[in-house]
Amino acid sequence: QQQVKQSPQSLIVQKGGISIINCAYENTAFDYFPWYQQFPGKGPALLIAIRPDVSEKKEGRFTISFNKSAKQFSLHIMDSQPGDSATYFCAVLGPGAGSYQLTFGKGTKLSVIP
Amino acid sequence: DAGVIQSPRHEVTEMGQEVTLRCKPISGHDYLFWYRQTMMRGLELLIYFNNNVPIDDSGMPEDRFSAKMPNASFSTLKIQPSEPRDSAVYFCAIRSGELSSYNEQFFGPGTRLTVL
Repeated sequence: QQQVKQSPQSLIVQKGGISIINCAYENTAFDYFPWYQQFPGKGPALLIAIRPDVSEKKEGRFTISFNKSAKQFSLHIMDSQPGDSATYFCAVLGPGAGSYQLTFGKGTKLSVIP
Repeated sequence: DAGVIQSPRHEVTEMGQEVTLRCKPISGHDYLFWYRQTMMRGLELLIYFNNNVPIDDSGMPEDRFSAKMPNASFSTLKIQPSEPRDSAVYFCAIRSGELSSYNEQFFGPGTRLTVL
């Protein structure tokens, strides 16, 4: 059973546009929802993360929107730039207190074209 | 790729050979994770350690896979014997209270393994 479902698999956005990637999860015991960014030949790196007690978190051009009742969260990249072209992974931490196990979505390959 | 050194970066071997992947955290940490990344299955957790003790190895695909952490500065992932379906990029990651106060995991650059 896939604990985290991510969509779309790939996304092409014009420079300056908004990129939106969605994730859905099953287990309500998850309590930390990060997004990781991966460039070719590199390991994933944390981009932004949110806890379930807030509905939105913004860092620069990157925003996470969190809908606890729907068990969904999404990443919005405003004013997308070619340098944002990468693969993005959502993840969930847990379940259970004290768990540091991350389960990742399958990833979204974002291409931002000039 | 701050915090973790992996070696080798690329490994090409023939089916049936033993393969050892190495991870050297260069920052203080309490958790160390091994992941495998493939196009088909994405990023999968294989095993993780807390203070050098294996906590959960349920992601290890078969008995051909084994991992050790003899000390806080070194961990290995061994595949014996290797098979073509083991071809993937293997990542080591750490959770470090020195680098971040949150649940962030810091990934190494990965080892790209090709089994012919």
